[in-house]
Amino acid sequence: DQQVKQNSPSLSVQEGRISILNCDYTNSMFDYFLWYKKYPAEGPTFLISISSIKDKNEDGRFTVFLNKSAKHLSLHIVPSQPGDSAVYFCAASGSISGGYNKLIFGAGTRLAVHP
Amino acid sequence: ETGVTQSPTHLIKTRGQQVTLRCSSQSGHNTVSWYQQALGQGPQFIFQYYREEENGRGNFPPRFSGLQFPNYSSELNVNALELDDSALYLCASSRQQETQYFGPGTRLLVL
Repeated sequence: DQQVKQNSPSLSVQEGRISILNCDYTNSMFDYFLWYKKYPAEGPTFLISISSIKDKNEDGRFTVFLNKSAKHLSLHIVPSQPGDSAVYFCAASGSISGGYNKLIFGAGTRLAVHP
Repeated sequence: ETGVTQSPTHLIKTRGQQVTLRCSSQSGHNTVSWYQQALGQGPQFIFQYYREEENGRGNFPPRFSGLQFPNYSSELNVNALELDDSALYLCASSRQQETQYFGPGTRLLVL
């Protein structure tokens, strides 16, 4: 049973436009969420996180939105750049997952930013 | 500041063999977590070590075991390898209950 779902396996966006990556979770006991980016042959790189006490967190071109009632979060990248092309993973943690250091990951969304 | 490193980068084993993967944590981090990433999936939590003790385990059989050393580096051992163990094995280090930073991974192929 997947507790964290990324229903879009891939997304293609034009350079300069907004990229929106979505993630849904099933358990309301998750209270901390993270986004990681992964290039081929590298490990996941931490991008941005959000606690369940917030509904938005921003860091430069990256903004994460959390809708607790819908159990949904999204990552917005504005403007998108070709270097953003990678696989993006959503992850959740909390007491329900066995502790804040046990991350539950989605399957990932492959973002392609084209000129 | 040195990041998380893992060795080896690639490994080929045959069914039934045993393997040891190694991870050096980032400076100042005392917690190491191990994940298995199968093709087309997200990473799955195997277990975590904090101050040399196992501190949480995912749904993996006992033939997956680990160690953490006084310098906070870690090993993942897998006994009696199965074909389905073929995957990318990721190590992540952190301070306790803070953001995890991943190494580049070890790609294991079991034939």
